[in-house]
Amino acid sequence: SQKIEQNSEALNIQEGKTATLTCNYTNYSPAYLQWYRQDPGRGPVFLLLIRENEKEKRKERLKVTFDTTLKQSLFHITASQPADSATYLCALAGQAGTALIFGKGTTLSVSS
Amino acid sequence: NAGVTQTPKFQVLKTGQSMTLQCAQDMNHEYMSWYRQDPGMGLRLIHYSVGAGITDQGEVPNGYNVSRSTTEDFPLRLLSAAPSQTSVYFCASSYGTSYEQYFGPGTRLTVT
Repeated sequence: SQKIEQNSEALNIQEGKTATLTCNYTNYSPAYLQWYRQDPGRGPVFLLLIRENEKEKRKERLKVTFDTTLKQSLFHITASQPADSATYLCALAGQAGTALIFGKGTTLSVSS
Repeated sequence: NAGVTQTPKFQVLKTGQSMTLQCAQDMNHEYMSWYRQDPGMGLRLIHYSVGAGITDQGEVPNGYNVSRSTTEDFPLRLLSAAPSQTSVYFCASSYGTSYEQYFGPGTRLTVT
């Protein structure tokens, strides 16, 4: 069956450093990969989407890479701030009409 | 735009009771979905719909029913509540899985 693994349930880093979160998948060939942020008690909020034919996408301090050979996506937050502390979820989808499946998430804590 | 709305915010049920969790969106989105979120389990897909009149099962559909008679509404029915259905339920909508998902604020359900 399809499996999504987000390595590390928790990641602690110091302010100003780059946070790197990993999303691996098996038994799946996703057409799209998305990253979301979730704060306690709230619904997830969309951050970035990357397609299978794209290697990298950036948005301000965020960068996502997608390696379909390694079956892996990396999510980077540069110059991290305490306000970046949250749970980050990756999600995969096949072509149109298929469902969006989420990983369990990685909780990032940025200390000042 | 109200976005995605969910009612109720909180609910306590006794084992065996039935209820409907409401979800509505005003963005004319075709794709809608229901997830449950439990500690350490991430978001698990219950049911989803790619348009009015079309629904399909996700990873954990047992004990839940859905219907999609209009584009705007996607209610989730618990047929006979069980303690294992204690969870936080999120509804989401989008133009499709290749687009960002908009999540509602969630319904926290406790079954005693």
